Amino acid sequence: DTAVSQTPKYLVTQMGNDKSIKCEQNLGHDTMYWYKQDSKKFLKIMFSYNNKELIINETVPNRFSPKSPDKAHLNLHINSLELGDSAVYFCASSQAPNEQYFGPGTRLTVT
Amino acid sequence: QKEVEQDPGPLSVPEGAIVSLNCTYSNSAFQYFMWYRQYSRKGPELLMYTYSSGNKEDGRFTAQVDKSSKYISLFIRDSQPSDSATYLCAMNKETSGSRLTFGEGTQLTVNP
Repeated sequence: DTAVSQTPKYLVTQMGNDKSIKCEQNLGHDTMYWYKQDSKKFLKIMFSYNNKELIINETVPNRFSPKSPDKAHLNLHINSLELGDSAVYFCASSQAPNEQYFGPGTRLTVT
Repeated sequence: QKEVEQDPGPLSVPEGAIVSLNCTYSNSAFQYFMWYRQYSRKGPELLMYTYSSGNKEDGRFTAQVDKSSKYISLFIRDSQPSDSATYLCAMNKETSGSRLTFGEGTQLTVNP
């Protein structure tokens, strides 16, 4: 009965690799998001999709590419991983823009 | 300068204390104000949501917004050890759709 789920929970990889994080929501929401939370807990939006359409695309390196196969899923693919990409990545979903529900996070460590 | 400023703490209080958590902001276009609670190694969860100025109460939690001072607060009455978490304020402009701007969070510990 998990509302917003993400896989994997932990991801350890080497610089230069390509990796993907998957997100699914079973709340029937139209909008999904990717956030990055750095070591200081600062949470910053990266992307948002509404009904599979990209509506927010913040200043993020183009090594990051989101993909929404349907409105219940939003994946994040990262190419050529760098040390600075180490962070916790959160997926979220909402029906009303100010009531966002977050997943448990994916802790990415790049070595 | 960050649009939203929040003292990261840490803040440590005894059980039963009244806790006051605050954020200031610089952009008067913010209209919607949220408080999220984040337990260690978990995702943020929405606690309170207010529109424009005023107070909102939910159990032991009260959210206050003072738009004239660009200042928002979250009060926790009769604090419990289970309230120990990081509290993040978030704001949204009327015209920005779903683009929330977060404070950096205040880490709270309630000691039994």
